[in-house]
Amino acid sequence: SQTIHQWPATLVQPVGSPLSLECTVEGTSNPNLYWYRQAAGRGLQLLFYSVGIGQISSEVPQNLSASRPQDRQFILSSKKLLLSDSGFYLCAWGRGDGSYNEQFFGPGTRLTVL
Amino acid sequence: AQSVAQPEDQVNVAEGNPLTVKCTYSVSGNPYLFWYVQYPNRGLQFLLKYITGDNLVKGSYGFEAEFNKSQTSFHLKKPSALVSDSALYFCAVRDPNGDSNYQLIWGAGTKLIIKP
Repeated sequence: SQTIHQWPATLVQPVGSPLSLECTVEGTSNPNLYWYRQAAGRGLQLLFYSVGIGQISSEVPQNLSASRPQDRQFILSSKKLLLSDSGFYLCAWGRGDGSYNEQFFGPGTRLTVL
Repeated sequence: AQSVAQPEDQVNVAEGNPLTVKCTYSVSGNPYLFWYVQYPNRGLQFLLKYITGDNLVKGSYGFEAEFNKSQTSFHLKKPSALVSDSALYFCAVRDPNGDSNYQLIWGAGTKLIIKP
C-alpha cells in the first residue's frame, strides 16, 4: 500500500530564516505531487505541483520554491521566511497515469513564523 | 471557469439525526467529484468519489453522496450523525476534459459540528 510522509510535523522559525519541508511517498512510482497551504484551518491553496523529476509548476508567485530531486521526493523551500508564510502545509500525491486522480494527503507540517 | 461552492460555512446537527453537507460545481465537461474530511491538525482523508455510473456513491465511515447532474450538485450525506463526525469537509472537482494536469478544484470547506 502507498504511504506519504511529511516532516517535520511542527516548525517554529524566525522571520528571515530559511525553510525546508520534505515530503516522500512510498509504494507507488511516477506520482503527481502537490504542495498546498492551508491558512486558518480552512481553504486549500495549491502552491506547486510536479508531474515528474525536475518538473515543477508554480501556481502562486511568492517567496517559496519547490524541487523534486527524486521520483517520490518533493521539497518545499524558502530562502527567507515572511510572517505571512505561517500556515499548515500539506503534501499530496496522485496517480501519474491519469486515472481518476483523487489525491492522497500527508499528515501536514504546522509552520509558525515569528 | 471551473469552480466548486460549499454554500454553508458551518453545519450543526444533533447526534443521531441525518446530516447533509452541500456542494455544487461548475465545469465544462462531465465532472469527477470528490469528498474529503479533515480532523484538527491532520491531513485530508479521502471519503468517496464519483466518476461515472450510479449517482449514489458510498464511501468511508457510512457517508454517501448523490451526484445530480441537472442541479450540478454532489451533496454529502449520512443517515445518522455521530459526534466523531465533527470535522472540516471539503468537496473537490476535476474536469477530465480540461487541461489541468490532474489538479483538483477545491471548495472552501464546511465545518460540521455534531452535538450530543
